[in-house]
Formats: sequence, structure tokens, C-alpha cells
Amino acid sequence: EPEVTQTPSHQVTQMGQEVILRCVPISNHLYFYWYRQILGQKVEFLVSFYNNEISEKSEIFDDQFSVERPDGSNFTLKIRSTKLEDSAMYFCASSDLRGLDEKLFFGSGTQLSVL
Amino acid sequence: SQQGEEDPQALSIQEGENATMNCSYKTSINNLQWYRQNSGRGLVHLILIRSNEREKHSGRLRVTLDTSKKSSSLLITASRAADTASYFCATGRYSGGGADGLTFGKGTHLIIQP
Repeated sequence: EPEVTQTPSHQVTQMGQEVILRCVPISNHLYFYWYRQILGQKVEFLVSFYNNEISEKSEIFDDQFSVERPDGSNFTLKIRSTKLEDSAMYFCASSDLRGLDEKLFFGSGTQLSVL
Repeated sequence: SQQGEEDPQALSIQEGENATMNCSYKTSINNLQWYRQNSGRGLVHLILIRSNEREKHSGRLRVTLDTSKKSSSLLITASRAADTASYFCATGRYSGGGADGLTFGKGTHLIIQP
């Protein structure tokens, strides 16, 4: 079964550093998402992406965050200047057609630790 | 914003018993989905029920939706040790502008005792 892949699985960085989290969505999917989950808390929506532009973003997704689809396969999340509170598991997801009418396929996540 | 809130927060049952988890939300929805998350892993989609549906089955899973009460339940029958995981409901509302994000609840942590 096709799957969403994320790299790296773990990322440790110093506060103030830039990080790029990478995702390869399922090849024929059109909608892409980033979610995050702080340890022990609920999964939170960050941003959705469709047709090469942001479709929706949450309050969490401030100017420090950006997303990009640099080629036909990768989908990246960049945090420009990391903060301690950015430490979380970041999940990439993709879906076919109208995202909310279809299930989301999630990657295994990148555990980001900001020191 | 719409929110899915599950209860109970934790549930421990014996293998073979049925497990029931509930979810409540606040605003109108297009659909409600249930996901499973094994410790430290990504979420796996289990089942989606649309707002005009009342009940749906998939294998050992049975989901109900009551839009008048803004609530849903997930029933896992004949539970197995492998069902041990956290279960999340997620609500979706398509605004017409594009791909809107799902809103997840806090989850129910289910433990199946062998």
C-alpha cells in the first residue's frame, strides 16, 4: 500500500536555528497537510496545501513557519527560528480529491526536539 | 472552532470484550473520522462517516453519528491485544475554499488486557 514518508524521524536542534522537515506524499494525492502533536496533547492542524499554495492555516502557523513543494514529489515544512515550544512530533499527511471528504494518510512523523 | 472531544480519556478492558469510545463536537460538520495511533507512530485512518449517515460498519468497527446531539461513538467488538492504541475522532468541515484541516480530539487511550 502506498505510504507517506517523512525524514528525518528525529531532529534535534538548538533554539533559534532553522529546521526543514521533509515529506514525500502519496504520488497521486492532491492535498497536503502538516499537523503537530506536543507530547501528551491532541493533534493540531498547522497548514493545508493545494494547487501549489496554502489553502488554510491555523493560528499556530505564524511567520516563522513556511511550506513548500519544491518539486513534484517533496513537501517541506520550514521553521525559521525554532523555539523551545516548537518541540513536538510533526506529521505530514496527504489525501486525494477533496481532502475532508476522504481519509488522510499520515506519515510516521518527525520528532523535533529544540534545546 | 469545532472540536472533537473523546471520552473516556482512558479505557482498560479484557481481551474479547467490546470497547466503546465517545466523541462530542461543537459545530456543524461534513464528516467525522476516527483514527488510531500506536505509541510514537502516525495516525491510521479507521473509518469515515458523513453527516447524512447514522451508522457505519467496517469489520469489527461500528461507528454511529448523531448530528442532533453532535456526538459519535466508536465500538470495537471482540477486542484483541493489538487494538491497544489511542483513538481519536476528527471532524471535518469543507468551506468550499479548499482543503481545510481536520480538528482532532484529545483521544481515548485503550488498553486491552490479555
